[in-house]
Amino acid sequence: EVQLVESGGGLVQPGGSLRLSCAASGFTFSSYEMNWVRQAPGKGLEWVSYIGSSGSAIYYADSVKGRFTISRDNAKNSLYLQMNSLRAEDTAVYYCARVGLGWLPHDYWGQGTLVTVSS
Amino acid sequence: DIVMTQTPLSSPVTLGQPASISCRSSQSLVHSDGNTYLSWLQQRPGQPPRLLIYKISNRFSGVPDRFSGSGAGTDFTLKISRVEAEDVGVYYCMQATQFPLTFGGGTKVEIK
Repeated sequence: EVQLVESGGGLVQPGGSLRLSCAASGFTFSSYEMNWVRQAPGKGLEWVSYIGSSGSAIYYADSVKGRFTISRDNAKNSLYLQMNSLRAEDTAVYYCARVGLGWLPHDYWGQGTLVTVSS
Repeated sequence: DIVMTQTPLSSPVTLGQPASISCRSSQSLVHSDGNTYLSWLQQRPGQPPRLLIYKISNRFSGVPDRFSGSGAGTDFTLKISRVEAEDVGVYYCMQATQFPLTFGGGTKVEIK
């Protein structure tokens, strides 16, 4: 069974940093591309970042470019999102989502982890 | 960036009746590989999103056949043939033809 479990969310002050993790199981993690998608409270979905299966291809939304860094450790079946210079508008539930083989975003989602940026 | 526009914002439906959601993209979603990467997702209250339909009209594994997708180019539709209570939630269209990936604003399906 495919499982994606996010962790690392919490309350952080504006300008602070946080590192999110996504633990994958039930599939060959190293074969799959991955995305981070976020959802502000009561709002819609916003794509944040993409990483290819080997980690060599990476894309970011303009809203996080230069502040967030996506990475992965295929040996640990884990996806990460390093978030720096956090702003109030980054407050959201952050989901990791798998891209199915043959470019099928997003076939499986985690339960999400809440990041709250507030003083 | 490709802008995805969904209508209506809200769709009150009687149980057993059909529902239809439209999604329009600001430019064609036909990829250079010939595929159209338009998906539909369902988000039930308090749950993460779930993939329903991919590449316009393909139902994902386990999705009931009362859900169907259609369309081409810039205009797409999700139809629920007979709404059931478990279908309550917000539905999103999403394009994956080019980065940044973008979502529609969502359509809330509720029971009258």
